Amino acid sequence: DTAVSQTPKYLVTQMGNDKSIKCEQNLGHDTMYWYKQDSKKFLKIMFSYNNKELIINETVPNRFSPKSPDKAHLNLHINSLELGDSAVYFCASSQGQRSYEQYFGPGTRLTVT
Amino acid sequence: GDSVTQMEGPVTLSEEAFLTINCTYTATGYPSLFWYVQYPGEGLQLLLKATKADDKGSNKGFEATYRKETTSFHLEKGSVQVSDSAVYFCALSDRGGNQFYFGTGTSLTVIP
Repeated sequence: DTAVSQTPKYLVTQMGNDKSIKCEQNLGHDTMYWYKQDSKKFLKIMFSYNNKELIINETVPNRFSPKSPDKAHLNLHINSLELGDSAVYFCASSQGQRSYEQYFGPGTRLTVT
Repeated sequence: GDSVTQMEGPVTLSEEAFLTINCTYTATGYPSLFWYVQYPGEGLQLLLKATKADDKGSNKGFEATYRKETTSFHLEKGSVQVSDSAVYFCALSDRGGNQFYFGTGTSLTVIP
């Protein structure tokens, strides 16, 4: 059973489009995250949700909007995609706000052309 | 603010060589420390962790000791294998809040 799953695994789209990435965890965790990993493998946290409430919102363009319909899901919607949005996006989850240990999804490779 | 600094890569070693990847941290209070590993094409996986000073985390032959006096959490393995080729991330969890900080990652390639 996959603990943290993301769809799609690959996403190729053109500049200006709007796209969504979905994330689901079946670990019963109450905190979920979105990370962006660039081509140099640098990992940057974008958002964190605890019990469906936003608790971390790093400096990302407001074209990025997370949505958490319930504790097990955290989706990422991106408007007006730009070339610089090309990256691998990872979803993660943990139990508790203190983030002692995070479980990562397999990643979504987004390519904007 | 809190942060993690790890040695830059890439690192290339021959099979059975000794591995050290340095990691130092800056934190207020007493963080938890982690090493995550990312195999090609996959997400990050927790490799080992330590939650207080002098704790030693270990897994799959890898070890790291939480050194408060030197604010370090260096990753070591006595004899690396080709299958250890991956990117390794040092990370810190701030006990006082919700923050989780990753280092920049160190790419390791082990050649036969």
